[in-house]
Amino acid sequence: KNEVEQSPQNLTAQEGEFITINCSYSVGISALHWLQQHPGGGIVSLFMLSSGKKKHGRLIATINIQEKHSSLHITASHPRDSAVYICAVNGGSQGNLIFGKGTKLSVKP
Amino acid sequence: NAGVTQTPKFQVLKTGQSMTLQCAQDMNHNSMYWYRQDPGMGLRLIYYSASEGTTDKGEVPNGYNVSRLNKREFSLRLESAAPSQTSVYFCASNLDREDEAFFGQGTRLTVV
Repeated sequence: KNEVEQSPQNLTAQEGEFITINCSYSVGISALHWLQQHPGGGIVSLFMLSSGKKKHGRLIATINIQEKHSSLHITASHPRDSAVYICAVNGGSQGNLIFGKGTKLSVKP
Repeated sequence: NAGVTQTPKFQVLKTGQSMTLQCAQDMNHNSMYWYRQDPGMGLRLIYYSASEGTTDKGEVPNGYNVSRLNKREFSLRLESAAPSQTSVYFCASNLDREDEAFFGQGTRLTVV
């Protein structure tokens, strides 16, 4: 079983829709990260959180430590939000991140 | 502020050739990492360096060597490239292991 599971793997939405991507993990963590990767591009950190909720523009990230679950929400989605969204946790024994496989989001105009 | 800079962005090697991937950060970070990204898999740790002068193996170190030249630079060397090393390689850094990570733009390596 993977230590970090994301769902869905692929997601297609119409512009303007509310989007939710889920992440569950099985290891003890100190923090959870949401990352964004555009096609052929680098990886950008969106959020790092260890409790509660964070908001940045149209993006909201929540975490429930007891349930070992996090969600990334995108409000009023836009085609430029099309990317792979990756959940990662600070749970590696060497201080490294453990990554989910990513959720590929496509937002159609 | 450049952040994390990786070179080259693209590389094609023949089996058995060697090459070094370069990574430099200008954020005075202590920890640096090399990851590889393969289709259908999450990023996996190859090697990491918790501080200048120290390096340790990650999940998939076979076929690679690293060097933490100074606090800024962390290089990854393939001594004898194999097709199984075809991948996208990412360098990352953070101030310390519990902090936000910053990633380079990636190196797309193809071994034929």
